[in-house]
Amino acid sequence: NAGVTQTPKFRVLKTGQSMTLLCAQDMNHEYMYWYRQDPGMGLRLIHYSVGEGTTAKGEVPDGYNVSRLKKQNFLLGLESAAPSQTSVYFCASSAHGGRTSYSNQPQHFGDGTRLSIL
Amino acid sequence: ELKVEQNPLFLSMQEGKNYTIYCNYSTTSDRLYWYRQDPGKSLESLFVLLSNGAVKQEGRLMASLDTKARLSTLHITAAVHDLSATYFCAVDSNSRGGSEKLVFGKGTKLTVNP
Repeated sequence: NAGVTQTPKFRVLKTGQSMTLLCAQDMNHEYMYWYRQDPGMGLRLIHYSVGEGTTAKGEVPDGYNVSRLKKQNFLLGLESAAPSQTSVYFCASSAHGGRTSYSNQPQHFGDGTRLSIL
Repeated sequence: ELKVEQNPLFLSMQEGKNYTIYCNYSTTSDRLYWYRQDPGKSLESLFVLLSNGAVKQEGRLMASLDTKARLSTLHITAAVHDLSATYFCAVDSNSRGGSEKLVFGKGTKLTVNP
């Protein structure tokens, strides 16, 4: 029962390099999210997706792009990495996003990707 | 813009004692979550509070929600060392339905000492 799997777990980049973080979920969830966690800041939403082929901006989207070509995968891209993007990145998924269903299902989180940019 | 404030941000307590963590939020929402995070680990869902007056309990933790006061509390009863972790509250920012766009508090780092 894998849940939400993030790849890679650790990465060190040089300023200006690009990379893609992969998130995969096996729970058939419609909604997926990318967050960053910085010390003393809690989690902040970068981008999210409400379904295959859709993406939307969150609170801190600048410098990142995302794609959701398949329902189970959500990719986060850094086109030109900057030291300010050094952070722990978490992917999450949820079964629904609307108030039409009063399900009590929370967002399920992956183990995180620790990214350092030198 | 929804803002979520937790206090205290740091809490050191002795085993066996009781304490409460507070989560205030600035705009209307009736969906609030509590998560636990151990150092270097993922976030684990503790409670989902969906309506005014909701109260949920699991072991030594009890969470409640007062949507009129825009306040949730996480009460710890007779703390034990295993409860040491960082606790986050998160509030759904989308009051008209749609995605669960959560806004997180900064977290409360709880240390339970013998």
